[in-house]
Amino acid sequence: KAGVTQTPRYLIKTRGQQVTLSCSPISGHRSVSWYQQTPGQGLQFLFEYFSETQRNKGNFPGRFSGRQFSNSRSEMNVSTLELGDSALYLCASSLASGRGYNEQFFGPGTRLTVL
Amino acid sequence: AQKVTQAQTEISVVEKEDVTLDCVYETRDTTYYLFWYKQPPSGELVFLIRRNSFDEQNEISGRYSWNFQKSTSSFNFTITASQVVDSAVYFCALSGDNNNDMRFGAGTRLTVKP
Repeated sequence: KAGVTQTPRYLIKTRGQQVTLSCSPISGHRSVSWYQQTPGQGLQFLFEYFSETQRNKGNFPGRFSGRQFSNSRSEMNVSTLELGDSALYLCASSLASGRGYNEQFFGPGTRLTVL
Repeated sequence: AQKVTQAQTEISVVEKEDVTLDCVYETRDTTYYLFWYKQPPSGELVFLIRRNSFDEQNEISGRYSWNFQKSTSSFNFTITASQVVDSAVYFCALSGDNNNDMRFGAGTRLTVKP
């Protein structure tokens, strides 16, 4: 069974631009969560999507948004990029939403560098 | 509020030594779940274990063992006879019963030298 895939793996953008990252969950998984990992703040929860609806949102500005498609694939978008948005963005999929025991399977991440 | 503390930022051991990674958590939930993940240099988080708040039995899986103590809000991870391949960053995480929002600790970077 294929794991969680994320594209692209590496991305370089400049301040003020916008970026879209993609995540394909494990087949059959309907929940997709996004996390930001930086050296300073560590791993932080961005949001979770389930059945095309945002279920949970972390403490990030509105420049960070996402969506989920009917095939459970998810995209996250960051507009008006800032230097501090440079990070590893990790996507995780799980079978269901709403229960903390759901094991989350992580993708390899997209490393975003903002210049 | 939920919080996970991994006080050890970096640990360095020599191969075959035993090593314990500490994890202390805070939560007001009565039902919660604790996790350990391994992050090798490739960046992908690898699931190691999940524990629910009602199951305080210690668990052993090969060279890995976990000690969950609700009385001290700790969920420590021990690697016995460490190997170079164990070198990675290890994260402890906590989630409540009603969401997939995992709170991660800052991580402990383990280096195992040959």
